[in-house]
Amino acid sequence: GENVEQHPSTLSVQEGDSAVIKCTYSDSASNYFPWYKQELGKRPQLIIDIRSNVGEKKDQRIAVTLNKTAKHFSLHITETQPEDSAVYFCAASKKAGKSTFGDGTTLTVKP
Amino acid sequence: DGGITQSPKYLFRKEGQNVTLSCEQNLNHDAMYWYRQDPGQGLRLIYYSQIVNDFQKGDIAEGYSVSREKKESFPLTVTSAQKNPTAFYLCASSIAGQGTYEQYFGPGTRLTVT
Repeated sequence: GENVEQHPSTLSVQEGDSAVIKCTYSDSASNYFPWYKQELGKRPQLIIDIRSNVGEKKDQRIAVTLNKTAKHFSLHITETQPEDSAVYFCAASKKAGKSTFGDGTTLTVKP
Repeated sequence: DGGITQSPKYLFRKEGQNVTLSCEQNLNHDAMYWYRQDPGQGLRLIYYSQIVNDFQKGDIAEGYSVSREKKESFPLTVTSAQKNPTAFYLCASSIAGQGTYEQYFGPGTRLTVT
């Protein structure tokens, strides 16, 4: 089955710096790659996603890049703010119902 | 935060007892999912259902059971056969079909078994 590895497990940055979280996947048939943010005590929520026919997608300070050949995708957060502090999960799926999640990255943004 | 609800927020049970976690959605989504979240680990899929009266095992189905009698509801039973049931359980739903779509999560139920 699909295997998703996520790095780093923890990331600490100064406010205003950029943060990058990377994921690799094993199944070349995966075609949907969402990123979820989970604040402490809250439910995961989608922040951005990308499909396999697209190489990059941006939404304000957040961007995701996908390299299908290398089977990896990354989340980029620019101009980080304290409210960006949370656990971020990547996921990969190839059909409805079977998303495989990474183990999560705990991002801390220091003011 | 409406749309998908889970109850209760906290649940305490004695070892050897079965317990049922509730999940309800009013998003008119066909697909529903149950995940288990443990510290330092990602979301692991327990069961999922693409349509009423049908469901499939996920990666860690042993010791769990589900039913999908209504589109809006997908209850999860943690049986006494589950060796380590203490965890945070998340329910989710999404549009079904042939494509892959965003999942909407409920607020979760924290189960403690002693």
